[in-house]
Amino acid sequence: DGGITQSPKYLFRKEGQNVTLSCEQNLNHDAMYWYRQDPGQGLRLIYYSQIVNDFQKGDIAEGYSVSREKKESFPLTVTSAQKNPTAFYLCASSMWIQEISGANVLTFGAGSRLTVL
Amino acid sequence: GNSVTQMEGPVTLSEEAFLTINCTYTATGYPSLFWYVQYPGEGLQLLLKATKADDKGSNKGFEATYRKETTSFHLEKGSVQVSDSAVYFCALIYNQGGKLIFGQGTELSVKP
Repeated sequence: DGGITQSPKYLFRKEGQNVTLSCEQNLNHDAMYWYRQDPGQGLRLIYYSQIVNDFQKGDIAEGYSVSREKKESFPLTVTSAQKNPTAFYLCASSMWIQEISGANVLTFGAGSRLTVL
Repeated sequence: GNSVTQMEGPVTLSEEAFLTINCTYTATGYPSLFWYVQYPGEGLQLLLKATKADDKGSNKGFEATYRKETTSFHLEKGSVQVSDSAVYFCALIYNQGGKLIFGQGTELSVKP
């Protein structure tokens, strides 16, 4: 079955450590996204990528980094510069059809919960 | 800027009650509108969508109508079940750019 796989599901980090969250998709989607979810705040966009070797900052990119070396993979690194990293992180992907309204539906992974100790 | 506002939760209902979750948006132009659902411990799933004014999206007994005159996309269901307990997110997307803008989410709890 096609879908998005995020790992690990739960991750604990000590302050000052960098951690990397994995996101893999086999949907042949061009675009991939990382969102952060905090209680009562909905989803906020961290980074997104339209094609391989290209990505753009979202609304809250500070303290995060990404890479897009392969179409299927879009890992997110939470660096020690991120002041409040404890959150639920969601990866998503979509076809990138800019001209067709409503066609760019996002498919989400199951999420990774990061806790800083 | 573009934004989505949802009614605050949690919303607690008894089984078979009628559900309305309000969603209004602010946007220039003509966005497409979505409702996503997040079951406990999971990612988001698309529930329904509408791409132009007066369109009605429907799925699993849920409905929402794109009302341009009131800039609203309220989610309704005639008879909720315990299995509908989840967090519901309203979202919009522009015709170009492809980035979803989410509301803050509304938690629904259905009691037997």
